[in-house]
Amino acid sequence: DTGVSQDPRHKITKRGQNVTFRCDPISEHNRLYWYRQTLGQGPEFLTYFQNEAQLEKSRLLSDRFSAERPKGSFSTLEIQRTEQGDSAMYLCASSLDARGDTQYFGPGTRLTVL
Amino acid sequence: KNEVEQSPQNLTAQEGEFITINCSYSVGISALHWLQQHPGGGIVSLFMLSSGKKKHGRLIATINIQEKHSSLHITASHPRDSAVYICAVGPDSNYQLIWGAGTKLIIKP
Repeated sequence: DTGVSQDPRHKITKRGQNVTFRCDPISEHNRLYWYRQTLGQGPEFLTYFQNEAQLEKSRLLSDRFSAERPKGSFSTLEIQRTEQGDSAMYLCASSLDARGDTQYFGPGTRLTVL
Repeated sequence: KNEVEQSPQNLTAQEGEFITINCSYSVGISALHWLQQHPGGGIVSLFMLSSGKKKHGRLIATINIQEKHSSLHITASHPRDSAVYICAVGPDSNYQLIWGAGTKLIIKP
């Protein structure tokens, strides 16, 4: 399968714990995006990478959130000291270079913070 | 006022009906996306449009740049089309997508 993959698919954690999610984009895609979707809402943009450079961060991305794409391939999203409000689906997408290119989405990681 | 407005919010129809979902936006865009999300599932990109019309199977998407409006049509609708359909625009100014609230479509057999 050459689509976008995310790991894990589900994560249950206790409040205060740290969690890390991984996204593997389509191999030739230079752009990688992270979104968060809470129940009944549309996805909210979190951050975006062009190769290994993190070019934009939403104000939603508090200091507890950090994202990396060290080699311009896979990306990780870490949430420190999780809160119940962090419970959501975390979606990763990738696209080719051109602005407006179709973003291909991964299946998401569903986080539940107890 | 949201920058991307979708209508209707909810739509229930009988199998075989012609479905139209509308999207209006207020920003300058480089492209408009239509996406599909099944309950509990991931998001699938259906179309990316910057002008005109695209067709894929029973799905048709149109965009009018001057009127800042797009429509997604489903012909001969089927219960498996039941999903949330989301319109998202890629603005001129940055690489983020601005999302509509989605239209929840239910097709009854």
